[in-house]
Amino acid sequence: NAGVTQTPKFQVLKTGQSMTLQCAQDMNHNSMYWYRQDPGMGLRLIYYSASEGTTDKGEVPNGYNVSRLNKREFSLRLESAAPSQTSVYFCASKSQGATYNEQFFGPGTRLTVL
Amino acid sequence: LAKTTQPISMDSYEGQEVNITCSHNNIATNDYITWYQQFPSQGPRFIIQGYKTKVTNEVASLFIPADRKSSTLSLPRVSLSDTAVYYCLVGEVAGGFKTIFGAGTRLFVKA
Repeated sequence: NAGVTQTPKFQVLKTGQSMTLQCAQDMNHNSMYWYRQDPGMGLRLIYYSASEGTTDKGEVPNGYNVSRLNKREFSLRLESAAPSQTSVYFCASKSQGATYNEQFFGPGTRLTVL
Repeated sequence: LAKTTQPISMDSYEGQEVNITCSHNNIATNDYITWYQQFPSQGPRFIIQGYKTKVTNEVASLFIPADRKSSTLSLPRVSLSDTAVYYCLVGEVAGGFKTIFGAGTRLFVKA
């Protein structure tokens, strides 16, 4: 099992460009999450999807959109990138029926917006 | 969501026991307390979870007093490789609920 995979690993954008960050999990998890982590800071929740077909805003949703394509995949889109969106983006997944509040994280996408 | 408060940073030396306390005054009846560890350039990973009293696993111990308004993560005999950020989370276990990681506690272990 690959767990949670994210593509791309690195990306450099110019201000105003758009891009989609991809996330997939092969653990049959219902819930998926997108976080951002700025240098030296904690994680902040952007959007989450409790189950296939639902998405909800997190702490910092402005400037982002998400799509829960199917149970495996949850993508994050930046429509018009800004320098303030330079960050490391982590995707995570969790089983709804778990007895532990354990999220499994991907390796992250390092995004720089010039 | 119950708000959590933890120290921004802590220093320790190899071989010492480290205790990191988290305050969560507004914890709800259905909430569990979960701790994650994050190494540089990696995503966080789950280390321990508890509801009340004491929980111990191969990595750490978690102490939760009867009123559950705080919890203490205990790392026995830390090594340099325990240098990481530790996050305390409070929330329900089942379901895909909104989760807030906060700033975490940066632990520096010195030789």
